[in-house]
This record gives sequence, structure tokens and C-alpha cells, in this order.
Amino acid sequence: AQSVTQLGSHVSVSEGALVLLRCNYSSSVPPYLFWYVQYPNQGLQLLLKYTSAATLVKGINGFEAEFKKSETSFHLTKPSAHMSDAAEYFCAVTDSSYKLIFGSGTRLLVRP
Amino acid sequence: DVKVTQSSRYLVKRTGEKVFLECVQDMDHENMFWYRQDPGLGLRLIYFSYDVKMKEKGDIPEGYSVSREKKERFSLILESASTNQTSMYLCASSLISQRSNQPQHFGDGTRLSIL
Repeated sequence: AQSVTQLGSHVSVSEGALVLLRCNYSSSVPPYLFWYVQYPNQGLQLLLKYTSAATLVKGINGFEAEFKKSETSFHLTKPSAHMSDAAEYFCAVTDSSYKLIFGSGTRLLVRP
Repeated sequence: DVKVTQSSRYLVKRTGEKVFLECVQDMDHENMFWYRQDPGLGLRLIYFSYDVKMKEKGDIPEGYSVSREKKERFSLILESASTNQTSMYLCASSLISQRSNQPQHFGDGTRLSIL
């Protein structure tokens, strides 16, 4: 069975600092991986997706993620945090029936 | 642009009531999904549908049913609402793909309170 683990339910950074949100997955087949962002009182918005074309994936709002098969990781990064990045972030992996398996989420706090 | 619309942003119902949550997508997507979101638990799949009149149970289907009479509309039904069904409910849709790499597109959610 596939699963996703997000380390840290809350991450706090200063504005302008590096953002690193961790995601590890388990999968018996080559995975498709996604990062979603949820702003307060909204649904989930796709940030980026890994579909095996390239290990470094660039997404919206300056975010990127690197797929590392040897580490079974797909960590999300952004070089410089902005106040508007404060939100909850979800990592997800697909299984073979089009369903998404979500991690429990990481809430990003950005300090001025 | 992709649009998934949930009929209500906030809903308050009483224990024992039959509750309908409606979701409409305008992207001609085959797949539609209902999730509930609770703090610390992420998103959990209740039901999904891959075609009209087709449905499959997700991870937590107990106490829920669904209806998909038209491709664009997917309804979640709480047969007899209970307080433990107080939650945020999210609808999503996606294209069918043999490689399972199509992202899901989400509505803004319905925050349901059962009193």
C-alpha cells in the first residue's frame, strides 16, 4: 500500500528565509507525486507534480521539489519565503486507481 | 479555467437529518471524489466515481452515500447526520489517465456542523 509522511505539522520561517517542507513516500510502483497548497477557508490548489519526466520539478509561486528515489523523498522548497506563502501544504501520491493518498499536512508560518 | 463548485461554503444541520452536499465541475472530467478534512488527519477519501452511475467506496464510507446521475454533478449524502460528521468536506475532479498522473482539482469546501 502507498503512504505519505510529512515531517513536522508546523514549520515556522522568517520572511526571506529558505522554506523546506519534507515529504517521504512509500510505493511499490513508480509513483506520481503532488504538492498542494491550501489557503485559509479555501480548497486545495496544485503547486506542482512529479510524473517521471524530470527529477526537479518547478511549480507555481517560486516553489520547486526534487524527487529522490534513493531516499523516497519529494521535499518542497522555496529560496525566499514571503508572507503570502503562509498556508497548509499537502504532499500526495497516487495509487493505481487514480486515488490520491495525502499526507497529514504541514502548516507554514512566516514571521515578519 | 478549471472550476469545481460546491453548493454551500457553510452548513449547519441537526443530528438525524438527511444532508445533501452538491458538487459540480465544468471540465468534463470523468473522475469525481469526496473527501473529508479534519485537523491532523489530512484528507480522507469517502467515495469516488469514475463514470456516471458508477461509484466506489473510499477509506471512510460508513454513514455516507453518493449519487452521480450526470457527469458534471456528484452528490454526497449523509443519511442520518451525526455529530462526528462535523467536518470540512472537499469535492475534487480529474481526468482519466492510464498513467494516473492527472492532478485533482478541488472546490473551496463545505464546512458542515452537525448540532
